[in-house]
Amino acid sequence: DAGVIQSPRHEVTEMGQEVTLRCKPISGHNSLFWYRQTMMRGLELLIYFNNNVPIDDSGMPEDRFSAKMPNASFSTLKIQPSEPRDSAVYFCASRGGLGETQYFGPGTRLLVL
Amino acid sequence: GDSVTQMEGPVTLSEEACLTINCTYTATGYPSLFWYVQYPGEGLQLLLKATKADDKGSNKGFEATYRKETTSFHLEKGSVQVSDSAVYFCALKIDGSARQLTFGSGTQLTVLP
Repeated sequence: DAGVIQSPRHEVTEMGQEVTLRCKPISGHNSLFWYRQTMMRGLELLIYFNNNVPIDDSGMPEDRFSAKMPNASFSTLKIQPSEPRDSAVYFCASRGGLGETQYFGPGTRLLVL
Repeated sequence: GDSVTQMEGPVTLSEEACLTINCTYTATGYPSLFWYVQYPGEGLQLLLKATKADDKGSNKGFEATYRKETTSFHLEKGSVQVSDSAVYFCALKIDGSARQLTFGSGTQLTVLP
């Protein structure tokens, strides 16, 4: 299994631009999570989906952030417009069935100038 | 609410030294406990877990024992290697709850040759 796949691995953009991060979960997993990691705030859960339905988006920082999961094999996290304080590493993770183990992708390192 | 408190880092050790990273938790239910490891430039990986009191999780020479009486899940290794340099996260999940993993802040470990 290829594991959780994220793209791009690195993104540098200018303030005000739209950023789209992509995630392909492990095949057969029915839960998907988006996290943000910064030095100041550590690892934060932004949103998670169960069977493609958003269950808890209370961690999404503000309306500039949105996430979708149009099917079981793809999810996006969009930031529009981006701001320098959005600079962070964004991780996607997936989980199968009732197991507690989350499998993380390699992350997207975002820098907003 | 549920929370995880980890020993503050960074921790620097010489190769073959003993390692202990402290982790304590507060939980409103019956948690399963986890240690995740994040190697440089990578996503988090499950290192070990324990699902009930007195269980010992172990992997790659690391061990942690679920201590309900002290609400602790300290990570230990008898002889660390340079390749163990990483960030270690303690986490919990309440069994049967829709709530997701609650992570500690992470502890950076550097092992010097």
